[in-house]
Amino acid sequence: GAVVSQHPSWVICKSGTSVKIECRSLDFQATTMFWYRQFPKQSLMLMATSNEGSKATYEQGVEKDKFLINHASLTLSTLTVTSAHPEDSSFYICSARNEDSLGYTFGSGTRLTVV
Amino acid sequence: LAKTTQPISMDSYEGQEVNITCSHNNIATNDYITWYQQFPSQGPRFIIQGYKTKVTNEVASLFIPADRKSSTLSLPRVSLSDTAVYYCLVGGRADSSYKLIFGSGTRLLVRP
Repeated sequence: GAVVSQHPSWVICKSGTSVKIECRSLDFQATTMFWYRQFPKQSLMLMATSNEGSKATYEQGVEKDKFLINHASLTLSTLTVTSAHPEDSSFYICSARNEDSLGYTFGSGTRLTVV
Repeated sequence: LAKTTQPISMDSYEGQEVNITCSHNNIATNDYITWYQQFPSQGPRFIIQGYKTKVTNEVASLFIPADRKSSTLSLPRVSLSDTAVYYCLVGGRADSSYKLIFGSGTRLLVRP
């Protein structure tokens, strides 16, 4: 089945530093990937849609300069949290759309803790 | 995008059948209905997808009435490991601009 690998699974960083999260589709090509953020006991909130070879589309209220998204290939999208602050601590999840099956597969998530 | 409404939480016991209903009154003609399961600190996992009537796979059944304004996920003989949050989503499967927007989901607790 379709597999999406997300790395790292957890990361602790200091305030003011940047953190990069990778999302890879292992056995299919993904023109479109999505990035979500999830706070404890809450649902997934869509942050942005990542399109291969073009700029990401951000949801309302999400700072594009703070959450940099790069989708340089059909199998890799990255989310960089720049100048991280404690309020950015959250669970970040990516999803990739399989153009063959028209299905969506999620990564296992990244727990970010900013101290 | 069709908005979905689900119960916030449900309780059940091991071995029972659990039915979770989702309302989607504004579902469009080309929208599919998809259910996902999420365990704590994990990404959502696809359970089942359907367009109309009934769909069954090895883990669940999905019942969709003729008007498609609601759907019911049926989990037969649940076990403790089925404790999770279940999300119902609707959208156009073939629509490349479709974004998976999650509602509040249903938190299912299975007790011994």
